[in-house]
Amino acid sequence: KQEVTQIPAALSVPEGENLVLNCSFTDSAIYNLQWFRQDPGKGLTSLLLIQSSQREQTSGRLNASLDKSSGRSTLYIAASQPGDSATYLCAVDQAGTALIFGKGTTLSVSS
Amino acid sequence: DTGVSQNPRHKITKRGQNVTFRCDPISEHNRLYWYRQTLGQGPEFLTYFQNEAQLEKSRLLSDRFSAERPKGSFSTLEIQRTEQGDSAMYLCASIDGTPYGYTFGSGTRLTVV
Repeated sequence: KQEVTQIPAALSVPEGENLVLNCSFTDSAIYNLQWFRQDPGKGLTSLLLIQSSQREQTSGRLNASLDKSSGRSTLYIAASQPGDSATYLCAVDQAGTALIFGKGTTLSVSS
Repeated sequence: DTGVSQNPRHKITKRGQNVTFRCDPISEHNRLYWYRQTLGQGPEFLTYFQNEAQLEKSRLLSDRFSAERPKGSFSTLEIQRTEQGDSAMYLCASIDGTPYGYTFGSGTRLTVV
């Protein structure tokens, strides 16, 4: 059974810092991995999608990497801003039928 | 393309009542998913449709839950005889059948009192 773990559960940083959020999964047979952002009480916003054949994806200040063989993905946020404060969720699409999510990392960026 | 729309945004109901939620996916997306999220947890899969066919249901979907997607367009999720444990955010997502990523709605927050 696929399990997705996100570390750390919570992170507080001052504005301007570069930071890394970690995601690990137990079964490397995945179709793709997706990172989402969730603001309190809101739905999910897709940030980056990495296909199983890809190693990384970039969007603005965000860079996500994928190492299928080791079952790991990282989300790198450069020059963090208070507006980046949210919960970041990692999800794997294993069989093309449903996403399996981690519990998320709650990020707080102080000005 | 206005994204995935969910209604209502919030629902407060008394235990034992029935509730129904609606999801309008992106029009060209043929797959539609329902997830449930409780506080501090990631979303958990409930069920999904390929056009109008319901192809998979999670063990989380007890017999009090039913979902439909008539004509392969919008979908409804009904919970009968609600219990306090049903309190959660119910999220809908759609994709176009290829692994290009899921688009989620803003969710319906259910509170059972």
